[in-house]
Amino acid sequence: LAKTTQPISMDSYEGQEVNITCSHNNIATNDYITWYQQFPSQGPRFIIQGYKTKVTNEVASLFIPADRKSSTLSLPRVSLSDTAVYYCLVGDRGDMRFGAGTRLTVKP
Amino acid sequence: NAGVTQTPKFQVLKTGQSMTLQCAQDMNHNSMYWYRQDPGMGLRLIYYSASEGTTDKGEVPNGYNVSRLNKREFSLRLESAAPSQTSVYFCASSERTEAFFGQGTRLTVV
Repeated sequence: LAKTTQPISMDSYEGQEVNITCSHNNIATNDYITWYQQFPSQGPRFIIQGYKTKVTNEVASLFIPADRKSSTLSLPRVSLSDTAVYYCLVGDRGDMRFGAGTRLTVKP
Repeated sequence: NAGVTQTPKFQVLKTGQSMTLQCAQDMNHNSMYWYRQDPGMGLRLIYYSASEGTTDKGEVPNGYNVSRLNKREFSLRLESAAPSQTSVYFCASSERTEAFFGQGTRLTVV
């Protein structure tokens, strides 16, 4: 199982772009990189998933370098409602383990 | 479309009591999961079922048992509840790594 390392917390201001990086040095060939968002008292919500290069959806972008040993979740122009915990997971299916996540606080 | 449904939403148990948390999904997913989340902490995987008929231990399986009753349902049983099992329990289902979570069960063991 590929272990992931993320910053424990980050602060930002409304309207800024936020980049959260996750390290996963032992990623396996079949592993995908998936990011989730969790608000207090709710279950995590899927944000984005990728295998290599760049993936973009209506919420975020995910940048994955060629060696796939890290990934960066990019949130454009954050708002107060983006304050949440963000988790990076690495795997294919089955044993999905969450780390401690990154607590993002967006300030006005 | 209900997604993942957990019952009950809240439960208070006395130490030593047993109970079963129920989870059902209507998305025809093969994989299902049980997690616990303690205050201010990340989710920890208790058990998972990669497909109907199989179950595997996660990070913190001690004190729990699971049953994959059919493709839709995955239950978590506490045989003899302990105060250390006070937590919020989440069930999830997925086809690959895009998982969908239930609303959680807040369990207090006194």
